[in-house]
Amino acid sequence: KNQVEQSPQSLIILEGKNCTLQCNYTVSPFSNLRWYKQDTGRGPVSLTIMTFSENTKSNGRYTATLDADTKQSSLHITASQLSDSASYICVVSVLTLSYIPTFGRGTSLIVHP
Amino acid sequence: DGGITQSPKYLFRKEGQNVTLSCEQNLNHDAMYWYRQDPGQGLRLIYYSQIVNDFQKGDIAEGYSVSREKKESFPLTVTSAQKNPTAFYLCATTGRLDQPQHFGDGTRLSIL
Repeated sequence: KNQVEQSPQSLIILEGKNCTLQCNYTVSPFSNLRWYKQDTGRGPVSLTIMTFSENTKSNGRYTATLDADTKQSSLHITASQLSDSASYICVVSVLTLSYIPTFGRGTSLIVHP
Repeated sequence: DGGITQSPKYLFRKEGQNVTLSCEQNLNHDAMYWYRQDPGQGLRLIYYSQIVNDFQKGDIAEGYSVSREKKESFPLTVTSAQKNPTAFYLCATTGRLDQPQHFGDGTRLSIL
């Protein structure tokens, strides 16, 4: 069964600090991995998308890494801001003709001033 | 401005009532999806449609129904058979398979 596990479940950090969120998956055959940010009461918004051949992708202060051999990904947030408080969701898709992704449960990040 | 519009933002259902959630997109995407989000759980797929007049059941389709008569629209009906409908419902679209899904801002459904 395709699964995506995220850790930690929740995280509290001080503004200006860095943090790293983890994602482990058992999806096969792997197509791509995406990280989304979801603000409370809103829909998820894409941060990064990585295919098998990519091992790092940046989007401003967000940097995602992918190790396809160990089936692990991380999302690193640099110099956190209050607006980074949100849920971060890891999503993995399989290589098929249709797009039916598998979602992780998300990591809830709270940034305190 | 291209995007996905979900309405209403909040919806209340009475016992035995069917309610319909609207999802409209102007992104010209072929594929559309409905997800249910409960606290502490990942998004779960209810139904998806890859082309007009065709749709497929997802993991939790029981108690729900959909239609896809137009490319722009993919309404979701929560029927009285869905005994635990309280949740946050998200509509999404996909164009090319190597591009991210686009999501609406959701409808929060509660029981009266």
